[in-house]
Amino acid sequence: QVQLQESGPGLLRPSETLSLTCTVSGGPVMNYYWNWMRQPPGKGLEWIGDIYYTGSTNYNPSLKSRVTISVDTSKNQFSLELRSVTAADTAKYYCVRSKSQSQGGAPDYWGQGTLVIVSS
Amino acid sequence: DIVMTQSPDSLAVSLGERATINCKSSQSVFYSPKYKNYLAWYQQKPGQPPKLLIYWASTRESGVPDRFSGSGSGTEFTLTISSLQAEDVAVYYCHQYYSTPLTFGPGTKVDIK
Repeated sequence: QVQLQESGPGLLRPSETLSLTCTVSGGPVMNYYWNWMRQPPGKGLEWIGDIYYTGSTNYNPSLKSRVTISVDTSKNQFSLELRSVTAADTAKYYCVRSKSQSQGGAPDYWGQGTLVIVSS
Repeated sequence: DIVMTQSPDSLAVSLGERATINCKSSQSVFYSPKYKNYLAWYQQKPGQPPKLLIYWASTRESGVPDRFSGSGSGTEFTLTISSLQAEDVAVYYCHQYYSTPLTFGPGTKVDIK
C-alpha cells in the first residue's frame, strides 16, 4: 500500500519561503507523476504542479513564478518550494501520486496533508 | 485553463434514495487516441484528504462501493449514488486531468435529508 507523508514548517511569515517534502513509502517514485495540491480552509482544491520521476515538471501558471518542485529518487521523496508567501498561501498542502497513464492517469494516493499558515 | 463547474452546490437526500451530481467542463476532456475521458470524481470528508471514486469518467476505483457510478462524455458528466448511505455524507469534486493546469470543480456537498 502506497503511503505519502508531508513534512515541513506549519507557520511562516509573509515573504518567506515555504518548503515541504513528501516521503513516499510502499512503492517507488519511478514511473509515476507526483503532484502538489493545496486547499485553503473551507475552500476547494488547487493543483500547484507535478513532477515526473525523471525530473520533468509542470506548474500552474498562477503560481509558476514562485514554485519549484524537485524529486529525489534515491530517497523516494519529492519536494515543493513556494517563494514569497502571503496570507493567500495559507492552506492545507497535499502531496499526491497520479496513476500511470495505462492505469488511468488520475491522482489516486493522497497524503494526509499539512496545514501551512502564513501570518505576521 | 479548463474551467470545471458543478451543480447543485449542495443537496440533501433521504437515506436509500438516489443522489445525482452534475459536472461540466469548459472544453472537452475526451482524449480520442485512447478513447477515454480524463475526468475523475473524488469524495472528501471533513479532516480527510480527497478519495478517488471514479476515473476515466466511469471506471470505479478498486474498493469503491458499486452504488457509486459515473457517466458522461466530452464536456458533461454525472456522478450518481444509487442508494445514499449515512457514510456518503461528504463533499464531492469532479476533476479534469486532460490538460495542465489540472483543475477541480468547486464541490457539491451531500447531506442526509
